[in-house]
Amino acid sequence: NAGVTQTPKFQVLKTGQSMTLQCAQDMNHNSMYWYRQDPGMGLRLIYYSASEGTTDKGEVPNGYNVSRLNKREFSLRLESAAPSQTSVYFCASSEWFGAGEAFFGQGTRLTVV
Amino acid sequence: GQQLNQSPQSMFIQEGEDVSMNCTSSSIFNTWLWYKQDPGEGPVLLIALYKAGELTSNGRLTAQFGITRKDSFLNISASIPSDVGIYFCAGPTSGTYKYIFGTGTRLKVLA
Repeated sequence: NAGVTQTPKFQVLKTGQSMTLQCAQDMNHNSMYWYRQDPGMGLRLIYYSASEGTTDKGEVPNGYNVSRLNKREFSLRLESAAPSQTSVYFCASSEWFGAGEAFFGQGTRLTVV
Repeated sequence: GQQLNQSPQSMFIQEGEDVSMNCTSSSIFNTWLWYKQDPGEGPVLLIALYKAGELTSNGRLTAQFGITRKDSFLNISASIPSDVGIYFCAGPTSGTYKYIFGTGTRLKVLA
């Protein structure tokens, strides 16, 4: 049972470069989320998709875009990476929006130089 | 905006000791969740609380939903080395289903 799979696990970007973080879940969950984790700040919600076909901003959406490609996949795009986007990014899914338990991927460690 | 403050921020304890940590909010929560994050992994749900005053256990872990609905507590009894990690509380922001996470308590266990 794979659960939530994120790729890549590590990435180094130069300032101004773009990239897309991929996320897929195999639990038939309706809702998916992208968080970033910074030291001392916990996890902060970037964007979420309550159901297939919808996306909404979270707490820290600036500099990011998302695509809910289908029920399984939810990608996060950085159009022009900045050093402030150096962080660990987590994708998560839940059975439905507001369901208490979210299942997380292993994270993508992104460094922008 | 709403914030969840966790204390302590970090702690070193001896193996076998009991651990207590808490999470406080500036506003009322209807649900409290406790997650654990192992090094290099994503968080995993430990305990969910849905009612003020509720006390729920999961093995050596016990969590309580504070009666004011503005706080929650997590206790770990007889700690072992695999308890190492970061413990997060989480709850839904007022009027929404968007969950916010606390700043975390980093636990280190000395064998």
